[in-house]
Amino acid sequence: KAGVTQTPRYLIKTRGQQVTLSCSPISGHRSVSWYQQTPGQGLQFLFEYFSETQRNKGNFPGRFSGRQFSNSRSEMNVSTLELGDSALYLCASTRSQGAGELFFGEGSRLTVL
Amino acid sequence: TQLLEQSPQFLSIQEGENLTVYCNSSSVFSSLQWYRQEPGEGPVLLVTVVTGGEVKKLKRLTFQFGDARKDSSLHITAAQPGDTGLYLCAGEKGGSYIPTFGRGTSLIVHP
Repeated sequence: KAGVTQTPRYLIKTRGQQVTLSCSPISGHRSVSWYQQTPGQGLQFLFEYFSETQRNKGNFPGRFSGRQFSNSRSEMNVSTLELGDSALYLCASTRSQGAGELFFGEGSRLTVL
Repeated sequence: TQLLEQSPQFLSIQEGENLTVYCNSSSVFSSLQWYRQEPGEGPVLLVTVVTGGEVKKLKRLTFQFGDARKDSSLHITAAQPGDTGLYLCAGEKGGSYIPTFGRGTSLIVHP
């Protein structure tokens, strides 16, 4: 059974640019959530989607957005990148409607120069 | 304010030693998960505890959920270099779809 797949694994952008990250959940998992991980703040919740609907959103500015497609694949977008957006972005899927047990991808490492 | 406080933040020990890491909160959780994350990888689920006082064992790892479901501990017996990683606890409140993560305990086990 394939795990959660995130692409790209690594990317480098400059300030002001925008970036789109992709996540393919485990087959059959309908809930996808996104997290930002930094050494100083740990894992911070960005947003969560279930059946193409955003159910919850964390405390991040509007530059951070996401969506989920009918096949449960999800994308997140960060516009007008800032240096502080450099982080590991993790996607997780779960089989249940609640948070339950999360299955994480390997993450997308974003560096903003 | 971090909802889940993990301690210690860092731990460096020799192979064969025992250790305990803690996850504490003033909030009650309906369930709590422990994850291990290796460098460059995503967190991997180790265990879920749901009942106050519950103890679960996974080989050399023992997990305990506090009676009041506000805290948890992870005990590793005879640590091995393969146990090296970041240990994260995450608590879920009933009705919430969003687990809250602690900042983690970074463990290094030296051969």
